[in-house]
Amino acid sequence: GQNIDQPTEMTATEGAIVQINCTYQTSGFNGLFWYQQHAGEAPTFLSYNVLDGLEEKGRFSSFLSRSKGYSYLLLKELQMKDSASYLCAVRLSNDYKLSFGAGTTVTVRA
Amino acid sequence: GAVVSQHPSRVICKSGTSVKIECRSLDFQATTMFWYRQFPKQSLMLMATSNEGSKATYEQGVEKDKFLINHASLTLSTLTVTSAHPEDSSFYICSAKQGRQGDNANYGYTFGSGTRLTVV
Repeated sequence: GQNIDQPTEMTATEGAIVQINCTYQTSGFNGLFWYQQHAGEAPTFLSYNVLDGLEEKGRFSSFLSRSKGYSYLLLKELQMKDSASYLCAVRLSNDYKLSFGAGTTVTVRA
Repeated sequence: GAVVSQHPSRVICKSGTSVKIECRSLDFQATTMFWYRQFPKQSLMLMATSNEGSKATYEQGVEKDKFLINHASLTLSTLTVTSAHPEDSSFYICSAKQGRQGDNANYGYTFGSGTRLTVV
């Protein structure tokens, strides 16, 4: 089976920074995705990493280390609307399947 | 940008009946469609993968006779939950993949808005 681990819950204050870690052990690797999902809605694409390093996109950044099987999503200048579940997903190989972690629920407090 | 229309968004059905969920890619051709289910506060579990014009490939433990998938065209895939039972109540989401991963800002995957199925 595929193992993709991320913390269950995190809480942070508005305006602060939160880092969500994801570790993976999978049968293949062809890129890692981060998605945001609000309750009862479909996931929204945030970032994609396939090479080692940091990808920055506005308030959100994502980092990947393939040798360590590790990624993180960094959310800066937190806003109340950032309260959501954040899903780490690994594309397994050339069959393009995505294997998802259980998601991290982030709660932003005023 | 790429859009996948999924409907219905919510459906309540009686136990023993069948429910059909549709996903349409509105402005691109979806060569592959993935179907997921999600239980409350859990992640997305892949149920099956369908390619246009061929039989769906089901993940281990998913009953193919219960969850019928049809991908008759490059813009439409359907999931039919047959003889639904209360344990089938869940959130079902489709995800369409374009032919080339870099064709859109989502790196090739576009999710539908999901269907909340409640079986009573």
